[in-house]
Amino acid sequence: EPEVTQTPSHQVTQMGQEVILRCVPISNHLYFYWYRQILGQKVEFLVSFYNNEISEKSEIFDDQFSVERPDGSNFTLKIRSTKLEDSAMYFCARGTSAGTGELFFGEGSRLTVL
Amino acid sequence: AQSVSQHNHHVILSEAASLELGCNYSYGGTVNLFWYVQYPGQHLQLLLKYFSGDPLVKGIKGFEAEFIKSKFSFNLRKPSVQWSDTAEYFCAVNAGPNAGKSTFGDGTTLTVKP
Repeated sequence: EPEVTQTPSHQVTQMGQEVILRCVPISNHLYFYWYRQILGQKVEFLVSFYNNEISEKSEIFDDQFSVERPDGSNFTLKIRSTKLEDSAMYFCARGTSAGTGELFFGEGSRLTVL
Repeated sequence: AQSVSQHNHHVILSEAASLELGCNYSYGGTVNLFWYVQYPGQHLQLLLKYFSGDPLVKGIKGFEAEFIKSKFSFNLRKPSVQWSDTAEYFCAVNAGPNAGKSTFGDGTTLTVKP
């Protein structure tokens, strides 16, 4: 069983629409990450989130993206105005409290932008 | 910037054959190394990890990997594969202060024929 639950498993949206992907950890954790994998390409780091703040973000994570943990439980990734190239599998992962680098992934949310 | 290359995109083996998947990384400093596996329809799971110490590390399901610092390599091995090992395998490297920010290889699809 994955240690984080992601919803939705698949979302189809029109270009320009806002999308929110959600990630719910099974137990309390402080370190969270979003990665994405465009079909046929590498798994890429998007953003890391520690203690309710962004700790690092990649070049991919531009102003169209945001993350938050509004209720202390759900961890969300928002894409404000989706583009065709945002179509990908988005993975949420939690880290270890010791900061040792292992990632524990959810099952992913497949985003299709038409 | 660090990068990871996996030499084989698709490997096809018969059951009981031995497996070795190559992984090389480019980074001159201290690294943490990981292999993740994604079984069909499932989430990415940690297979094994190397932080320091014995360069030969053992993971789940009989997999092992050897860290060779001089070759910047972290190859994955298994003496005898099973049909259930059919999956995609990802090598990942973490080399910075952000423990959860890993750079992934392209992945290797392993197909084991019964």
